[in-house]
Amino acid sequence: AQKITQTQPGMFVQEKEAVTLDCTYDTSDPSYGLFWYKQPSSGEMIFLIYQGSYDQQNATEGRYSLNFQKARKSANLVISASQLGDSAMYFCAMREPYSGAGSYQLTFGKGTKLSVIP
Amino acid sequence: NAGVTQTPKFQVLKTGQSMTLQCAQDMNHNSMYWYRQDPGMGLRLIYYSASEGTTDKGEVPNGYNVSRLNKREFSLRLESAAPSQTSVYFCASSPTEVTIVTGELFFGEGSRLTVL
Repeated sequence: AQKITQTQPGMFVQEKEAVTLDCTYDTSDPSYGLFWYKQPSSGEMIFLIYQGSYDQQNATEGRYSLNFQKARKSANLVISASQLGDSAMYFCAMREPYSGAGSYQLTFGKGTKLSVIP
Repeated sequence: NAGVTQTPKFQVLKTGQSMTLQCAQDMNHNSMYWYRQDPGMGLRLIYYSASEGTTDKGEVPNGYNVSRLNKREFSLRLESAAPSQTSVYFCASSPTEVTIVTGELFFGEGSRLTVL
């Protein structure tokens, strides 16, 4: 089973509108971290926002906020007031506790391509 | 501030050739990682190093070897390249210990490898 699922391969949004990118995750560990990254066409990976599993409030960073619904195991990224520069691939990722040699703990979803329309 | 530096940025190989991707970080991070990115697959972990002198396999380690040369440098070697290894490779580092869940990864700019 996939640990991180992003069900929207592509999304379109009008400039200045808000958009929500979906992310669901699967873990049995009570302690984990959730991340969102942006990858513009130039290829670099840019960290956007982090949410810890024990954080009481939803994380926010400028125009980015994370809608964290723990019971539903979802961590959707909300971008407010979209800009043309927001056009990019967006990846959701989860970090689980290290459990010894042979384990790995940061897994990425397959991404959502966001296109902002002028 | 250089951050994470990867070399080379682009490389074309013939099947069976070998090569090493170099990665260096100047942020004094303990943890370092190698990922590959393929269309529609997201990023998949090849190997990681929790600290100097240790390395562990990730999700897709077959066909690769790694060396954590010192705290700054983590190299990825393809001993006998195959067309299936055509991909974009990313090196990353993290300031937090591998045993905890916080701390984002800082990525290099990526290395585009084509195996003919």
